[in-house]
Amino acid sequence: AQRVTQPEKLLSVFKGAPVELKCNYSYSGSPELFWYVQYSRQRLQLLLRHISRESIKGFTADLNKGETSFHLKKPFAQEEDSAMYYCAPHQAGTALIFGKGTTLSVSS
Amino acid sequence: GAGVSQSPSNKVTEKGKDVELRCDPISGHTALYWYRQRLGQGLEFLIYFQGNSAPDKSGLPSDRFSAERTGESVSTLTIQRTQQEDSAVYLCASSLAWVGELFFGEGSRLTVL
Repeated sequence: AQRVTQPEKLLSVFKGAPVELKCNYSYSGSPELFWYVQYSRQRLQLLLRHISRESIKGFTADLNKGETSFHLKKPFAQEEDSAMYYCAPHQAGTALIFGKGTTLSVSS
Repeated sequence: GAGVSQSPSNKVTEKGKDVELRCDPISGHTALYWYRQRLGQGLEFLIYFQGNSAPDKSGLPSDRFSAERTGESVSTLTIQRTQQEDSAVYLCASSLAWVGELFFGEGSRLTVL
């Protein structure tokens, strides 16, 4: 069965601290990996996708196929990073199932 | 419009009434999703339409929930005999291809009294 796990419901850090939001998945085949973000009072939107290998707003995500993980990282958190983050592995042609999400709170 | 449009944005109803929520996806997007987001909770998958294929209804929580999609355009999510636990934001998203970026609407907030 397809499963995605985000073990932390809430992650609180101080401004300037490093951040790592964890995501582990269990899928047959090779899904494409996504991170979505929902800022307060905004639509849910794509943050980054593995295939692009981009750094968006200072965030990167490394796919570890051996550990089936796709953790989201940022070396120096900013207050505007406070949001809900969802990990989403996606197997082509099937429904996209999101993890339960991690709320990131960055305080000064 | 350029984005995914949902209506109504807010709906307050009495327990036991039926409600219909509408989603207009981005033109040309073959995939359409419905999700539910309860207060303080994550996204709960409800149903997925992909082109002319049979929809994936595996996320619908009960037979009170149903959804239709006309071709590759508008979709309607219907909740019959609403219950208080149905109170949530219902999100619609569309995508151009079998796998790719999902574009979300602003959601329909349903409150069942």
